[in-house]
Amino acid sequence: GAVVSQHPSRVICKSGTSVKIECRSLDFQATTMFWYRQFPKQSLMLMATSNEGSKATYEQGVEKDKFLINHASLTLSTLTVTSAHPEDSSFYICSASDPIGQILSTDTQYFGPGTRLTVL
Amino acid sequence: GQNIDQPTEMTATEGAIVQINCTYQTSGFNGLFWYQQHAGEAPTFLSYNVLDGLEEKGRFSSFLSRSKGYSYLLLKELQMKDSASYLCAVKPGGYQKVTFGTGTKLQVIP
Repeated sequence: GAVVSQHPSRVICKSGTSVKIECRSLDFQATTMFWYRQFPKQSLMLMATSNEGSKATYEQGVEKDKFLINHASLTLSTLTVTSAHPEDSSFYICSASDPIGQILSTDTQYFGPGTRLTVL
Repeated sequence: GQNIDQPTEMTATEGAIVQINCTYQTSGFNGLFWYQQHAGEAPTFLSYNVLDGLEEKGRFSSFLSRSKGYSYLLLKELQMKDSASYLCAVKPGGYQKVTFGTGTKLQVIP
């Protein structure tokens, strides 16, 4: 149990284009999903918290108009990087938690496999 | 704010035992997590402690002392595949989000 998928695993795009990344909880309902960014040899940086049916909560310094998050169902959250630039190239990782505790330990975050974004 | 400290790097020998420490100062406490992250991959969940004491899970054990704001991850019978970064993460009190430490990069050598 507690499987989180992420798609695509790798994407290369031209500067100025938009990229959508999907995060799915496969065997549980994720009321909360998190989006992280990780640059090489650095730790995870939380970008935003996504709650089903409501607006995402962005961390300080993260542009909400550039990183659009939609959590339309209990099993799917999407992150769209709009007008991507080379400095947006990074490893984007989503995680899902189950605060209600259906099958997971309370608040344990389970991570998707990550999406490596390269903007040319 | 929340503060989590763990060593940046450690080296240990295959077959040996290694202890990775984590100290934290947070406003409230609702649990501590350890994750393993191999280079270029996402973190995978290892353990969760909310009460004091030792939790053993195969070759990995995790210890927590809430009064000292201290935890450690113990890896026994080290294998080369255990070379990875180990992330300590704490859930503070109330509705605050989990905070991750910067991770300890463990290198297992023959």
